[in-house]
Amino acid sequence: DAGVTQSPTHLIKTRGQQVTLRCSPKSGHDTVSWYQQALGQGPQFIFQYYEEEERQRGNFPDRFSGHQFPNYSSELNVNALLLGDSALYLCASSLAGGSGEAFFGQGTRLTVV
Amino acid sequence: GDSVTQMEGPVTLSEEAFLTINCTYTATGYPSLFWYVQYPGEGLQLLLKATKADDKGSNKGFEATYRKETTSFHLEKGSVQVSDSAVYFCALSEDRNTGKLIFGQGTTLQVKP
Repeated sequence: DAGVTQSPTHLIKTRGQQVTLRCSPKSGHDTVSWYQQALGQGPQFIFQYYEEEERQRGNFPDRFSGHQFPNYSSELNVNALLLGDSALYLCASSLAGGSGEAFFGQGTRLTVV
Repeated sequence: GDSVTQMEGPVTLSEEAFLTINCTYTATGYPSLFWYVQYPGEGLQLLLKATKADDKGSNKGFEATYRKETTSFHLEKGSVQVSDSAVYFCALSEDRNTGKLIFGQGTTLQVKP
């Protein structure tokens, strides 16, 4: 079992650009959540996808969008990047109706310059 | 809204010392509670969890008891090792269907030989 995998591991973008991050959930999981972790802070919930739809959303602007594919993998898109978007982006997968336990990937470190 | 508050770090201990990291929460319902650990350069790993009042979660020598009366979930370990050096996050989940997590700000633990 490969667990939750994310790509790329590191990324450097320029202000104003757009970025796409990718996540493959743990085998058997159908729900994917995305979190933003700023340096020295706890992760903040961005949104969650289930059955290819956004099921829940945190307090993030519309510049943050996502998608879930039929194989349960997911993408996080961020438009019009700001310096403040620099962070570690974590993907977590879980099973709907399960114990609520989430498994995390290693994260994508995004740096906006 | 729901929130989690952890004791501020960093916490520096000598090997074999006793560890306590305090965590308190605010929630409208009856959340599940979690401790996650993050080693340098890595994503989050679930350390232990408790799903109802008076439950004790335990793993790798770490323990935490769900105390509803004090809304607390303090992490303890009787004898820490250098390999326990990491950042520890307390988290709650109100909705077991979605698994959305709310994290504390994290506590850095450094164990010296």
